[in-house]
Amino acid sequence: GAVVSQHPSRVICKSGTSVKIECRSLDFQATTMFWYRQFPKQSLMLMATSNEGSKATYEQGVEKDKFLINHASLTLSTLTVTSAHPEDSSFYICSATDLRTGYGYTFGSGTRLTVV
Amino acid sequence: GENVEQHPSTLSVQEGDSAVIKCTYSDSASNYFPWYKQELGKGPQLIIDIRSNVGEKKDQRIAVTLNKTAKHFSLHITETQPEDSAVYFCAASKNSGNTPLVFGKGTRLSVIA
Repeated sequence: GAVVSQHPSRVICKSGTSVKIECRSLDFQATTMFWYRQFPKQSLMLMATSNEGSKATYEQGVEKDKFLINHASLTLSTLTVTSAHPEDSSFYICSATDLRTGYGYTFGSGTRLTVV
Repeated sequence: GENVEQHPSTLSVQEGDSAVIKCTYSDSASNYFPWYKQELGKGPQLIIDIRSNVGEKKDQRIAVTLNKTAKHFSLHITETQPEDSAVYFCAASKNSGNTPLVFGKGTRLSVIA
């Protein structure tokens, strides 16, 4: 079945630094990638939607200059948290789809980001 | 936009009993309704899904029912086991794959041995 590999699984960074999270579709082509954020004991909240080769569409309240999304290829999408602050500490999860084959909503295993 | 309500927020059952989690959605155009199980520190895992042209779907101990008229769907787990303990999320979307899933707030299920 479809697999999305997400790395790193855990990362600790200092305030003010940037962190990049990668999601790779291993056996299908991810035409669309959704990025979610999940705070402790809360649900998954959509941050942005990206289609391969296009600019990402951000949800209201999500700073596009802070959360940089790149989806330049059909197998790789990245989320970069720039100038991270402690309030950015969260669990980040990607979800990939391939509209051409019907694979829908394959989730990565998540990245636990802690900003100190 | 779509809004998904999920109840209860916590549920404790004795091992072997059944567990039922209910969700309602607001957008009548939604036509895909998956259920996810999430264990601590992991991404959500799809356990069952249903599309709007089907009223019920079953996979071993897990079943999902959908009432399009009332705009609600439910997850049923029979013969619960301790390993069923996790957080369960319902979700809804208008199309499978090309629009984002909207999630419910989750239900923490505890199966007591």
